[in-house]
Amino acid sequence: EPEVTQTPSHQVTQMGQEVILRCVPISNHLYFYWYRQILGQKVEFLVSFYNNEISEKSEIFDDQFSVERPDGSNFTLKIRSTKLEDSAMYFCASSAEVENIQYFGAGTRLSVL
Amino acid sequence: DAKTTQPPSMDCAEGRAANLPCNHSTISGNEYVYWYRQIHSQGPQYIIHGLKNNETNEMASLIITEDRKSSTLILPHATLRDTAVYYCIVRSSNDYKLSFGAGTTVTVRA
Repeated sequence: EPEVTQTPSHQVTQMGQEVILRCVPISNHLYFYWYRQILGQKVEFLVSFYNNEISEKSEIFDDQFSVERPDGSNFTLKIRSTKLEDSAMYFCASSAEVENIQYFGAGTRLSVL
Repeated sequence: DAKTTQPPSMDCAEGRAANLPCNHSTISGNEYVYWYRQIHSQGPQYIIHGLKNNETNEMASLIITEDRKSSTLILPHATLRDTAVYYCIVRSSNDYKLSFGAGTTVTVRA
């Protein structure tokens, strides 16, 4: 069964450093998403991406965040200068069409020290 | 801006049916009801969705009331591996995001 793959599973970084979280969406999917979940809190939408453009973003997704599809298979989330409060699980998801089911990866745990 | 209301927790016995309620009294005509679950801190897992008809798949059944103001997710034979947080989400077909609430923490007991 096709699945969304995220790497690394755990990323530790120092405050102020840049991090890139990577995702390989399901191969025939066209819509890509990032969500995050701070420990003990709800899963929160960050951004959706289609046709090499951001289609929607939340208030959380400020100038410190960016997304990119650098090639035909990867979808990345970059945090330019990490803060302690960026520590969270980050989930990538993809769907074939906007109205279709979103399938999630296992997540990357980001720990900012 | 929560569109759904779910009980915070519920227990069920292994092998028995688990019935998870969800209220969505302000649902619009073009909004679907989706159910996802999250086991530990894993990624949310899709379970089922529906618009107005009842739906069934290999994981669960979804019963939506005629007025569409509430629904019930049914896990027909709960196992210990079904212990998870279950999220009921209302979403229109042109909505990019899924809006997760706190969900229902379901504990299946042997």
